[in-house]
Amino acid sequence: QKEVEQNSGPLSVPEGAIASLNCTYSDRGSQSFFWYRQYSGKSPELIMFIYSNGDKEDGRFTAQLNKASQYVSLLIRDSQPSDSATYLCAVIESGAGSYQLTFGKGTKLSVIP
Amino acid sequence: GAGVSQSPRYKVTKRGQDVALRCDPISGHVSLYWYRQALGQGPEFLTYFNYEAQQDKSGLPNDRFSAERPEGSISTLTIQRTEQRDSAMYRCASSSDPESGELFFGEGSRLTVL
Repeated sequence: QKEVEQNSGPLSVPEGAIASLNCTYSDRGSQSFFWYRQYSGKSPELIMFIYSNGDKEDGRFTAQLNKASQYVSLLIRDSQPSDSATYLCAVIESGAGSYQLTFGKGTKLSVIP
Repeated sequence: GAGVSQSPRYKVTKRGQDVALRCDPISGHVSLYWYRQALGQGPEFLTYFNYEAQQDKSGLPNDRFSAERPEGSISTLTIQRTEQRDSAMYRCASSSDPESGELFFGEGSRLTVL
């Protein structure tokens, strides 16, 4: 059973601070890792992906991957109220003939003005 | 429109009735996925297709649930003999490349079983 674990929050940070969102996964065969953002009442949308150990930066967002620890994180610098949403960690285990994308339960982030 | 379209957006049915949920993916997208999302939870995988072939149906909860994509475009998720526990948001997503993990989601179909 593939599992993706996230702290459900809510995580509250003041505007301008760094928000740190964490995710662990159970399947060592997992190869690809994703962060989706879901605003309240809306559908999820992809914001970051990472395949290799280390950091990947895109604007105010940095994804971090540590395969040995089976750990993925998302850092949001200079957090804005518009970043308030639920952040979903997702994982693909490739090589099994299926590219099933498994989601965590999500962490709700509130950025306080 | 250019996005993933789902219908109906809202469906209220009585326990024991069958329901069919429709998904029209982004034109040209090879892969189509069905997820179920309960309030406050992440999307739960149900099944996915590449073209018309059902690649993985391991997430379908039981044999009351089935899905098809006969011509490799529009897909239908059917739930037979609905139960109250089937009440949820059903989300369809499509992708041009299943390895990419980039899924484009529709607005969802909210199913309520009374």
